[in-house]
Amino acid sequence: EPEVTQTPSHQVTQMGQEVILRCVPISNHLYFYWYRQILGQKVEFLVSFYNNEISEKSEIFDDQFSVERPDGSNFTLKIRSTKLEDSAMYFCASSQTGTGKGFGPGTRLTVT
Amino acid sequence: GIQVEQSPPDLILQEGANSTLRCNFSDSVNNLQWFHQNPWGQLINLFYIPSGTKQNGRLSATTVATERYSLLYISSSQTTDSGVYFCAVVYNTDKLIFGTGTRLQVFP
Repeated sequence: EPEVTQTPSHQVTQMGQEVILRCVPISNHLYFYWYRQILGQKVEFLVSFYNNEISEKSEIFDDQFSVERPDGSNFTLKIRSTKLEDSAMYFCASSQTGTGKGFGPGTRLTVT
Repeated sequence: GIQVEQSPPDLILQEGANSTLRCNFSDSVNNLQWFHQNPWGQLINLFYIPSGTKQNGRLSATTVATERYSLLYISSSQTTDSGVYFCAVVYNTDKLIFGTGTRLQVFP
């Protein structure tokens, strides 16, 4: 069964640095999402992406965040200038129809 | 916005026991999913169940949309069932809104 993949599995960065988290959604899926989970808390929605544009974003998704689908397979989340509070697990998800969603294994981001 | 509450928050079981996890939501939803977050942090989709009942091996789930709750049943629990179980709902757009989670620990 096709799966969503994410790289890297763990990223350590210094405060103020830019990071790019990468995702390869399932190939015939059209809807793409990023979620994050701060350690010990519930999973929170960040952004949804459809037809090459953001369809919805949360309050968390401020100007420091951006998403891109640079080619036909990758979907990226960029954080321009990381803060300590950006430390979290970041999950990519995709969906064919916008309903049932498959999640990637996550990237654990640690900002020091 | 919609509230998604899960109970109990923590559950400790001995291997072989059965359990029921509950998810309550405060408004009508379009879809509901149950996830298992394993000790490595991965979110594993268990069920996509906006209504009705589904079974997959030792796990089954029932959603009663009109009464705004869903139940996840785990029978004959195993140590590999340990982790956090989340329900998540699709409300007025297509994003998932996650519940507070139930942390399950199964001991041999």
